[in-house]
Amino acid sequence: AQSVTQLGSHVSVSEGALVLLRCNYSSSVPPYLFWYVQYPNQGLQLLLKYTTGATLVKGINGFEAEFKKSETSFHLTKPSAHMSDAAEYFCAVSDPLEGGADGLTFGKGTHLIIQP
Amino acid sequence: SAVISQKPSRDICQRGTSLTIQCQVDSQVTMMFWYRQQPGQSLTLIATANQGSEATYESGFVIDKFPISRPNLTFSTLTVSNMSPEDSSIYLCSGRGINWNEQYFGPGTRLTVT
Repeated sequence: AQSVTQLGSHVSVSEGALVLLRCNYSSSVPPYLFWYVQYPNQGLQLLLKYTTGATLVKGINGFEAEFKKSETSFHLTKPSAHMSDAAEYFCAVSDPLEGGADGLTFGKGTHLIIQP
Repeated sequence: SAVISQKPSRDICQRGTSLTIQCQVDSQVTMMFWYRQQPGQSLTLIATANQGSEATYESGFVIDKFPISRPNLTFSTLTVSNMSPEDSSIYLCSGRGINWNEQYFGPGTRLTVT
């Protein structure tokens, strides 16, 4: 069974500062990894994903994440926070052995607060 | 990418009634899923909607409570039956595209049960 742990239910950073949102997974095989963002009263938007290949992946809105197998981590970063980044962020995993037939397993989410 | 729409966007329902949520995708998707997001919580997978056959439910969810249909590749419905206040949640429809490692989400249906 897969599981996802997001450290910190709330993260507060100053505008212009580095954003770091942590995600660790537990899986019998390296999973496919996703970061989604949810703005208030909206659905989920895919930020980026890792399936195979280069372990550093770049997404939309200046976000990137690095898959580290040895640390079972997929932390999300952005060099400089913007007020518009304030939202809920979810890390999710999918089992590659299911061939796309499984749904996603989500972490509990991290609420990102941007201080002016 | 696929664009997913849901109807209704929100509803307030009385205890003991049922609500059917519709999900429409603008292009073919290989798989469709239904998730629940309880207030302040993360998303939990309810079931996989299978075209032309019974849905596959996750542990803790049963067909009598959450009947699901998927008559074709681009449409699915979720019914929340015999509702109680504990069913107050956002229900999200999701589709996995032809490029199967991408999953798209609808805007959600915000349900309040009084």
